[in-house]
This record gives sequence, C-alpha cells and structure tokens, in this order.
Amino acid sequence: DSGVTQTPKHLITATGQRVTLRCSPRSGDLSVYWYQQSLDQGLQFLIQYYNGEERAKGNILERFSAQQFPDLHSELNLSSLELGDSALYFCASSVVSDNEQFFGPGTRLTVL
Amino acid sequence: GENVEQHPSTLSVQEGDSAVIKCTYSDSASNYFPWYKQELGKRPQLIIDIRSNVGEKKDQRIAVTLNKTAKHFSLHITETQPEDSAVYFCAASGGSNYKLTFGKGTLLTVNP
Repeated sequence: DSGVTQTPKHLITATGQRVTLRCSPRSGDLSVYWYQQSLDQGLQFLIQYYNGEERAKGNILERFSAQQFPDLHSELNLSSLELGDSALYFCASSVVSDNEQFFGPGTRLTVL
Repeated sequence: GENVEQHPSTLSVQEGDSAVIKCTYSDSASNYFPWYKQELGKRPQLIIDIRSNVGEKKDQRIAVTLNKTAKHFSLHITETQPEDSAVYFCAASGGSNYKLTFGKGTLLTVNP
C-alpha cells in the first residue's frame, strides 16, 4: 500500500457525461500528479498540483480539469466524455522537493 | 520536452536467467530515473531509482545503471523468478516540476 488513495475504483458512464475522480495523497506530500494509462498511449502525464496550485501541465485535454484543495486532496474532472477517454487514471504524490512518486491504485473509467 | 524510448517491448526468459531492459532519454537536464513494475490492473510500483550523480545502484537481484553521456539507463534483473513477470516502465524526470515521462513499457515473462 503506497498510502495514496483514489476513489472510485471503477466508473462506468456514457458518452457526453461528466465524472469526478478523487485522490488523497500520502500524509505530508504536497505534490499531486495525474496520469492517464491507456493501451495505445501508455502512461501519460496530465497535470501536477503543488500545495494547491497548478505546477505543470502535460497532455491534458481542454475537457479535463483538476484542482487541489486546502486539505491537499485532488480531483480530476472529465467532461463531455468520449469513448477514447476510457482508461486507467492514476494519481501519484511526492514530497515537495523529491522526484520519488508513489502511485495510488487507480480509477478504471469505462465510457460506453 | 523529454522523450523516453524503451526496449524491448516484450521479453521472455527462463526462470533463473537474467533480464535486461534499456531506455534512452532526450533531455540532458533530466536527473532522476525510476523504474516501475506494474502487474495487470494494478498500480505502478517503484522498484528502484537512480539519480544523475550515481552510475550504478543495486538492490538484491535488481540493479540499474546510468550513462549520462550517452543518455542511457538500464534495468538488470538477475536470477529471475515467475513472480518477476509484469510490465516494467522506465521514466525520466528533471527540472522544478518533477513530472515523470515514461517509456512505453516492457512486458517481461519469466517461464518456469
């Protein structure tokens, strides 16, 4: 167990819908990262938050957004869902000044 | 941005043999190189990492080597066991945001 939690474990929804994925980092970690893992694209960095502020953006679609709250948990919002958004979404966390990232168990999103 | 190439994409070995997975990276500013093991449907788990001020690091049957000049790093697993079967990802990170850029992964199969 990495200490990073994610909910829900599984999510099945329809095209055009909106979902919210939640992540709680390890105790003491200020940085949260979101990654998308699909069969054809591998593990892709989406976005990073550090202590409530956006720090870096990767291959994140405009339909996706995220935020980190004062208690340091983070949410990834996916809207106008398409079939191609079906993937595993991982959250990872790290301490402020270290690269070492610990991954949560992931949320498997299926868009029908 | 950073680009990480990983080879081979699949690797099959006999139990007890050694396995080597190689990665190259493009950004000379990268200074942190972790390796993750991912079992089917599970989260990536950090198995070993190396920083740019070190050329080699070993942890029991697992070792990682880094050649900064050539921008290569490799994972070596000795005395492989069936439970080593998984997908292995290399990654590179550098700069102030610590985001990880992953290779495409190597499916390692250890045959009993």
